[in-house]
Amino acid sequence: NAGVTQTPKFQVLKTGQSMTLQCAQDMNHEYMSWYRQDPGMGLRLIHYSVGAGITDQGEVPNGYNVSRSTTEDFPLRLLSAAPSQTSVYFCASSLNRGPTVYEQYFGPGTRLTVT
Amino acid sequence: KNEVEQSPQNLTAQEGEFITINCSYSVGISALHWLQQHPGGGIVSLFMLSSGKKKHGRLIATINVQEKHSSLHITASHPRDSAVYICAVGFQGAQKLVFGQGTRLTINP
Repeated sequence: NAGVTQTPKFQVLKTGQSMTLQCAQDMNHEYMSWYRQDPGMGLRLIHYSVGAGITDQGEVPNGYNVSRSTTEDFPLRLLSAAPSQTSVYFCASSLNRGPTVYEQYFGPGTRLTVT
Repeated sequence: KNEVEQSPQNLTAQEGEFITINCSYSVGISALHWLQQHPGGGIVSLFMLSSGKKKHGRLIATINVQEKHSSLHITASHPRDSAVYICAVGFQGAQKLVFGQGTRLTINP
């Protein structure tokens, strides 16, 4: 199993550009989520999904879109990049058994810089 | 407000010492997670617990749901334990995690 994979590992964007961060998992996990990690702050939830076709907003969703057309993939779209979106982005997946978030498996992260 | 507080923020110790990292939260939870972030940036899950105590090797996690408090202990610490340790909480009724700011642990030989 590859686990959770993310591409790209590094990306530099200019303000106003758009891009998609890819996330895929091969563990048949229903729950997938996107987090951003900034210096001095904990991981913050951007969007999450409890299954194909179902997505919901997290703590910091503005400026980001997601969709979940398959169990395996959960891409994160930046619509119009801003310097405030410079961060390290982590995708994670887990089983989904009711209201509890189970053990999370994290991807290696994508370091994004917006100039 | 659903909050998670970790202490200390930074901890430096000598090899062999017993380490304790604390996590407090504000309201009822469905589960609490302890994670480790390696110096290279990768994040792995160490424990998920909702009551009592769990042990894996030299790592022990405990939770007191009445006091809304959890601790992560490392026995016989080693330089390879140097990492950031993160507490994350799933609050009741919410299918999402709220994270503490992390504790940076450095173990000197």
